[in-house]
Amino acid sequence: DQQVKQNSPSLSVQEGRISILNCDYTNSMFDYFLWYKKYPAEGPTFLISISSIKDKNEDGRFTVFLNKSAKHLSLHIVPSQPGDSAVYFCAASARNAGNNRKLIWGLGTSLAVNP
Amino acid sequence: ETGVTQSPTHLIKTRGQQVTLRCSSQSGHNTVSWYQQALGQGPQFIFQYYREEENGRGNFPPRFSGLQFPNYSSELNVNALELDDSALYLCASSLEQGDEAFFGQGTRLTVV
Repeated sequence: DQQVKQNSPSLSVQEGRISILNCDYTNSMFDYFLWYKKYPAEGPTFLISISSIKDKNEDGRFTVFLNKSAKHLSLHIVPSQPGDSAVYFCAASARNAGNNRKLIWGLGTSLAVNP
Repeated sequence: ETGVTQSPTHLIKTRGQQVTLRCSSQSGHNTVSWYQQALGQGPQFIFQYYREEENGRGNFPPRFSGLQFPNYSSELNVNALELDDSALYLCASSLEQGDEAFFGQGTRLTVV
């Protein structure tokens, strides 16, 4: 049962345009969401996060939007650059009964930004 | 401030053998999580250690075990290796549980 879903395995965008990566989740207890970027042969790198008390968080070219009612979040990259080409993972977490957290990951979306 | 480092970077083992993977967490981080990432998949949570105690575990059999040391570095041990254990094993550390996790470069394990 995939609690965090990234339904687009791949996305291709022209340099300078906007990249929009989508993520849906099923567990209403998730209250913290993160996006990671991963290049081949490297570990994931943290990009940006958002708490459920917000609906938008912005950091430079990266903006994450959260729609709690739709259980949906998206990552916008504007403008897209060839160096952004990577696999992007959405992750979510919630506190469990033991007040512990763990990250639940989507399967990733491979973004290709074409010059 | 050093980042998260994992060793070795690549490893080839034979089915049935045992393997130990190591992770040095980022300075000051007391939480370490281990993930298995198979080809074409997202990272799958194996377990998490917080202040030397396991405090969360994913759907992995008992032959996957771990340790966290007083300096918060960590080991992942896998016994009786199976072919399906071939994957990238990622270690991530965070300042507290659920905070942004910083990943190492991973250990690529191949079981033949």
